[in-house]
Amino acid sequence: AQSVTQLDSHVSVSEGTPVLLRCNYSSSYSPSLFWYVQHPNKGLQLLLKYTSAATLVKGINGFEAEFKKSETSFHLTKPSAHMSDAAEYFCVVTVYGNNRLAFGKGNQVVVIP
Amino acid sequence: EAGVTQFPSHSVIEKGQTVTLRCDPISGHDNLYWYRRVMGKEIKFLLHFVKESKQDESGMPNNRFLAERTGGTYSTLKVQPAELEDSGVYFCASSRTRMVNEQFFGPGTRLTVL
Repeated sequence: AQSVTQLDSHVSVSEGTPVLLRCNYSSSYSPSLFWYVQHPNKGLQLLLKYTSAATLVKGINGFEAEFKKSETSFHLTKPSAHMSDAAEYFCVVTVYGNNRLAFGKGNQVVVIP
Repeated sequence: EAGVTQFPSHSVIEKGQTVTLRCDPISGHDNLYWYRRVMGKEIKFLLHFVKESKQDESGMPNNRFLAERTGGTYSTLKVQPAELEDSGVYFCASSRTRMVNEQFFGPGTRLTVL
């Protein structure tokens, strides 16, 4: 069964410094991978997705992620954190044709001014 | 275009009571999903509707949970009777197609069972 692992449930970054959120996946098949973000009192919003095309995926708000099959990873990065990036981030995996989304436990990101 | 809406945003009930959560998907979205996040755990899939039919309900935890989508529009998720372990945040999502990367999520309903 597919699953994702997100370590570091809470991450603190200083404004203007890089953001790195790690995600490792487990899947028996070629996975589709996603990062979602949830701001306070808002719904989950899709940041970016990997669906077997380019391994470096660019998303909204300056985020990007790189799919590395050899490392079974899909880490999320942003060169410079902004205060508005404070939110919870979820790495998600699924398998083509399967409508289930399997979520990681999430990373709560705090941005320090 | 209005997003996915959920009602209520919060609900506090006592063990043994009944609670009904409602989800209004984006207009025109045939696919509707329910997920749940229990405290300290990851968000987990509960079930998937295509129009009014249950396509996949394998994630429903037990028979105290009943989901309906009469008419293929809004959906309700009833918990009867509620238990302490049912506390958590219940998310609804919808999509126009079955492609998983098009699921749009609502803000969730926070359920607290005392």
